[in-house]
Amino acid sequence: DAMVIQNPRYQVTQFGKPVTLSCSQTLNHNVMYWYQQKSSQAPKLLFHYYDKDFNNEADTPDNFQSRRPNTSFCFLDIRSPGLGDAAMYLCATSRDIGSLGQPQHFGDGTRLSIL
Amino acid sequence: DQQVKQNSPSLSVQEGRISILNCDYTNSMFDYFLWYKKYPAEGPTFLISISSIKDKNEDGRFTVFLNKSAKHLSLHIVPSQPGDSAVYFCAAPDISGNTGKLIFGQGTTLQVKP
Repeated sequence: DAMVIQNPRYQVTQFGKPVTLSCSQTLNHNVMYWYQQKSSQAPKLLFHYYDKDFNNEADTPDNFQSRRPNTSFCFLDIRSPGLGDAAMYLCATSRDIGSLGQPQHFGDGTRLSIL
Repeated sequence: DQQVKQNSPSLSVQEGRISILNCDYTNSMFDYFLWYKKYPAEGPTFLISISSIKDKNEDGRFTVFLNKSAKHLSLHIVPSQPGDSAVYFCAAPDISGNTGKLIFGQGTTLQVKP
């Protein structure tokens, strides 16, 4: 009964070769998030979409882009992956934004390795 | 300053005993806290939350306590089971902007021994 689905689960790419990670949701949530998590660290937000409105975190490198063609899908594009971009990438959704809010629902992540 | 800290990277308890996972935060304006559980090779799964207007929230074997004056919360698991072995993250929604992003602690790895 997966609700937030990330593909692929494991991705290996070459240094500098563009890569796209995919996230889909069956929850019909308005908000979709992309987090980066490196070993033994807390997940760190890269950006999020509220409906079609894109919101980039100030410290997210320009190398990272995102697309949300419809409510269900969101993509993370890494234009020129460097060794430092090797990490777990987590997609999450929430119905809305609000400090009292609803918990975010996470996918199982994509583990990205850079050769 | 918005930080959430989990100062114990790991915890080991015996099956059937209580597990207590701790979390501290820096901003007294946080109004909502969440605990997530994460198994290896899976994404974080929401476990339990607490609003700042409460000091306790219970759901089955899981209870979260909030001490606002100390800026501290804890997750109690009673009784602990081997299937509870996972990484536990506490988190709070960012209040500085309307992003809804979660600010996570670094996580505590719980091992429950049979």
